[in-house]
Parts: sequence; structure tokens; C-alpha cells
Amino acid sequence: DAGVIQSPRHEVTEMGQEVTLRCKPISGHNSLFWYRQTMMRGLELLIYFNNNVPIDDSGMPEDRFSAKMPNASFSTLKIQPSEPRDSAVYFCASSQSVSGNTIYFGEGSWLTVV
Amino acid sequence: SQQGEEDPQALSIQEGENATMNCSYKTSINNLQWYRQNSGRGLVHLILIRSNEREKHSGRLRVTLDTSKKSSSLLITASRAADTASYFCATDVHNNNDMRFGAGTRLTVKP
Repeated sequence: DAGVIQSPRHEVTEMGQEVTLRCKPISGHNSLFWYRQTMMRGLELLIYFNNNVPIDDSGMPEDRFSAKMPNASFSTLKIQPSEPRDSAVYFCASSQSVSGNTIYFGEGSWLTVV
Repeated sequence: SQQGEEDPQALSIQEGENATMNCSYKTSINNLQWYRQNSGRGLVHLILIRSNEREKHSGRLRVTLDTSKKSSSLLITASRAADTASYFCATDVHNNNDMRFGAGTRLTVKP
């Protein structure tokens, strides 16, 4: 299996622009997670899905952030409009939705908003 | 919100020494997992310990869990330069698969 695939790997964008991050989870996994990692705040859980349904989005910082999972093999995290403080590494991860299962991470999308 | 908190934040040791990292958490858990992150990469699962276990081994890794103190420790024995990475603990909150991570311990092993 190719693992969790994220795109883009790196993005530099100007403040105010829309950013869309994409994720393809591991086939057969029915839980998908979006995390954000910064030096100041560490690794934060933004939202997670079970069977394509958002279960907990309490970590989404504000209305500028939205996430969708239209099917079992694809998810997006959108920031509109982007701000410099959104600069971070965004990780997508997936697992089988049973407590205690290993979470598999993608390599991350490095976002810089200037 | 974060669930686990690791300490120390950073640890620097010589190759061959043992490295011990600690994790404390706030709520009751079903299991606790340790992950490793190399610089610029995603996190990779190392080991899982269930709430009814007290100690677990995997190669040079030894994990302990004290549910009464809500704490866990990760011991890496005979460290190598290749062990240089950040180490995170993660717990499942609310008895589901909602995994929350601590801030991590940055381990540097000098050759």
C-alpha cells in the first residue's frame, strides 16, 4: 500500500488566498484525521471523520477552516481566506476505526502564508 | 485540546546511553501509544500499551503505564544516533478513536 498520500507537499501562498489541502487515506481505513503542527502549539487535532462523517470538529480554529470527505478515498481541508498565522504543517492520517488501532500519517503539507 | 504532555521537552544524550521520556495525561484512557517523528516527516507508530497493562517491550523500547498517576514512560536502551527524533505519546479520548497527542520530546543522540 502507498500509505496516506497528501498534496501538495509544499505550498506558499499570499494572505487572503484560498488554500486546499488534499488527502487520500489508506484503502480500507474508515477513520481519517487532520492535524496541524506548529512549534508553538504542537500537534493539534483539527477534525476527524468516521465512515466519511465528521465526528469531532471542535479543533477547527475558526470558520475560515472547512473539511470535507466526499468518499472513503478522499478528503480536503480548505482555508479561505488564509492568514500568515495559518502557516504550519498539516498532516492527514488514517486508521481503522477501532480504539487502539495504529494511526498512519502522511508526510504532511507544509503551508506558508505570506 | 491536547491530552498528553511529555517531559522533558528536549533530551540530549551520548550514543549507548539510555533515554527516558515521560508522558502525563488528564482523562481516563483505553490505551496509550508512542509515536516517533523524524525531522520533516510524518509520525510513525512505535508501540501501544493498553490500560490493563503495566509494561510492554519491543526491541530496545520499554513502555510503562501507571493509570493511577495517569502517566507513562518510554525507555530507549542503548541509544543510537539514528534514534534522534521527536517522540510523542497519544491517548484515545472519550473511548473512541479520537487520538490526541502531546507536545513531544525532542531527543538528540550524539555519536
